[in-house]
Amino acid sequence: KAGVTQTPRYLIKTRGQQVTLSCSPISGHRSVSWYQQTPGQGLQFLFEYFSETQRNKGNFPGRFSGRQFSNSRSEMNVSTLELGDSALYLCASSLASTTAGNTIYFGEGSWLTVV
Amino acid sequence: GQQVMQIPQYQHVQEGEDFTTYCNSSTTLSNIQWYKQRPGGHPVFLIQLVKSGEVKKQKRLTFQFGEAKKNSSLHITATQTTDVGTYFCAGNPGTYKYIFGTGTRLKVLA
Repeated sequence: KAGVTQTPRYLIKTRGQQVTLSCSPISGHRSVSWYQQTPGQGLQFLFEYFSETQRNKGNFPGRFSGRQFSNSRSEMNVSTLELGDSALYLCASSLASTTAGNTIYFGEGSWLTVV
Repeated sequence: GQQVMQIPQYQHVQEGEDFTTYCNSSTTLSNIQWYKQRPGGHPVFLIQLVKSGEVKKQKRLTFQFGEAKKNSSLHITATQTTDVGTYFCAGNPGTYKYIFGTGTRLKVLA
């Protein structure tokens, strides 16, 4: 079956712009999480959605937001981009809520460069 | 806040040598997972540990979960060049998120 699909794979934005990243989870998976990965900070949790509800949020400013649609697809948005937002943004899906200890399947990520 | 520390940050080994990475959580975990990320790739699930003191093996890889469910380790016996990558632990403190360790980047010298 198809894995987690993220689009776009690569993008370059200018400071102050906003960006929307998309994630299609594995078919049947209802939980979608987003992570930011940078060389210095490792994998940082952004938020998790389950059945269109945000269940948990990491320690990121309000410029980072997300949503999940009824078909479990998810989007994350970053407004007023800063240079420090340059990172690999990873989406991960799992069958159910992560409290159940389900395996997380990562997409290949969206590489965002802010100039 | 809740943290998962992982050491070492980097490890260079000769092919055939053993390798171990350690994770320590500031809080008790419901379970812990391990992931491998190849250079340029995305994290790929390796294994999940749930029970206190649990030990699991996958060929040359041995995973342990501490008795207090606050620490874990991954040991690779006789490393191969295909083991190159960054190994992450991810602890679940019982909330709707996993806290990833900082990762250990393994380089295997042929």
